[in-house]
Amino acid sequence: EDQVTQSPEALRLQEGESSSLNCSYTVSGLRGLFWYRQDPGKGPEFLFTLYSAGEEKEKERLKATLTKKESFLHITAPKPEDSATYLCAVRAYNQGGKLIFGQGTELSVKP
Amino acid sequence: GAVVSQHPSRVICKSGTSVKIECRSLDFQATTMFWYRQFPKQSLMLMATSNEGSKATYEQGVEKDKFLINHASLTLSTLTVTSAHPEDSSFYICSAHQGGPFLSPQHFGDGTRLSIL
Repeated sequence: EDQVTQSPEALRLQEGESSSLNCSYTVSGLRGLFWYRQDPGKGPEFLFTLYSAGEEKEKERLKATLTKKESFLHITAPKPEDSATYLCAVRAYNQGGKLIFGQGTELSVKP
Repeated sequence: GAVVSQHPSRVICKSGTSVKIECRSLDFQATTMFWYRQFPKQSLMLMATSNEGSKATYEQGVEKDKFLINHASLTLSTLTVTSAHPEDSSFYICSAHQGGPFLSPQHFGDGTRLSIL
C-alpha cells in the first residue's frame, strides 16, 4: 500500500535556527514527490516537485532533497513568515494523477 | 502562474440544505480536477477525481449520491453536498493540473469552509 509519513508532527524553531523536515514514503513506482506549504484556512501552495533520487530543488530559504525512501525539506535561517504546515505528497505510476498526502509538519518560527 | 479559484470561501447553513461549491481554473484548461476534504489538524483526503465530460471517480467510502460532482467545462468543476448534515461540516479543497497530470503539480484553490448547523 502506498504510504507517506512525515516527521516531526510539529516543530518549533527560533528565528535563524536551521532544521529539516522529513517525509518517508513507500510507493509502487514514484512518479513525483511534492512539497506544499499550507497556511491556516488556505489551500496548499506548491513549493517543489522531485522526480528521482539525488535530485535537489531550492527556493529562498528552502531546499528539498530526495532519496529512494525519503525526502527532506531543509529550512535555513528561518523567519517567522516561514511558519506554516508543510505537506509532502507522492504520485504513483499506477494511480493516475492522484496524490497521497502525509499528515504534515506544523512549523512555528518565533522571533 | 497557475491559479485555481474556489467559491464560496465559507458557507453556513441549516441541516438538510444542499450546498454547491465551484472550482475554476482561471488561466488554463483542466481536463481533470480533484476534490479533497480536510478535518482540523489533519491532512488532505482525496474524495473524488472530476473528469471533464465524463463521470467522476470516487474514492472508497465516499458516497456518490451525497457528493455530486459535475465537470461540464474545461475550466469549471462543481461539488454539491446534498442534504448536508452536521457531520458534513469540513474544509473542502479542489485542485487542478496545469498541463498533463503526469507532468505537472496540482494547484489548489483556497478551500471552502462548510459549517452545517
